[in-house]
Amino acid sequence: AQSVTQLGSHVSVSEGALVLLRCNYSSSVPPYLFWYVQYPNQGLQLLLKYTSAATLVKGINGFEAEFKKSETSFHLTKPSAHMSDAAEYFCAVRRLGAGSYQLTFGKGTKLSVIP
Amino acid sequence: GAVVSQHPSWVICKSGTSVKIECRSLDFQATTMFWYRQFPKQSLMLMATSNEGSKATYEQGVEKDKFLINHASLTLSTLTVTSAHPEDSSFYICSARSLAGGTGELFFGEGSRLTVL
Repeated sequence: AQSVTQLGSHVSVSEGALVLLRCNYSSSVPPYLFWYVQYPNQGLQLLLKYTSAATLVKGINGFEAEFKKSETSFHLTKPSAHMSDAAEYFCAVRRLGAGSYQLTFGKGTKLSVIP
Repeated sequence: GAVVSQHPSWVICKSGTSVKIECRSLDFQATTMFWYRQFPKQSLMLMATSNEGSKATYEQGVEKDKFLINHASLTLSTLTVTSAHPEDSSFYICSARSLAGGTGELFFGEGSRLTVL
């Protein structure tokens, strides 16, 4: 079964510092991978997605992620954290199956940005 | 971008009553909608997959009779929590997939917080 593991339930960075949120996946076939952001009491917003095209994926708000098959990883990065980046981040993998668009989410990583 | 709207955003009800939550795709047609449940400080758990005009497919462990899902049109799916109990209190989020298909991007609603007293 497809799954993702997010390392670190809580990450704190200083404003202007590098953001690195880790996600490792488990899949028997090339996966479709996603990163979502959730602000308090809100739904999820797609940051970026990997769909077997370019391994370095650029998303919104200055975020990017690199798909590394050898490491089964899809870590999310941003060169310089902003206060507005404080939120919960979820890595997700699309389930296998014909016509399946279901997603399996990781447990999430809460990002805190320190002024 | 595509917009998915949920209503209500917040609802408080008494134990034993039923609550209906609506999920609407505002600017696209959604063949498939998904309902998730999120407990505090936890991830999203898929409850069911809803296809327009057919019965919903529930995930293992989700009670069909308790969480009634109806997808009557290409822009509306509803989740009804029947005979609600305090343990049903949670954040419920829906997502929708556009008819246009593509790479599987889902558009999420803002979520509905249910509190059962």
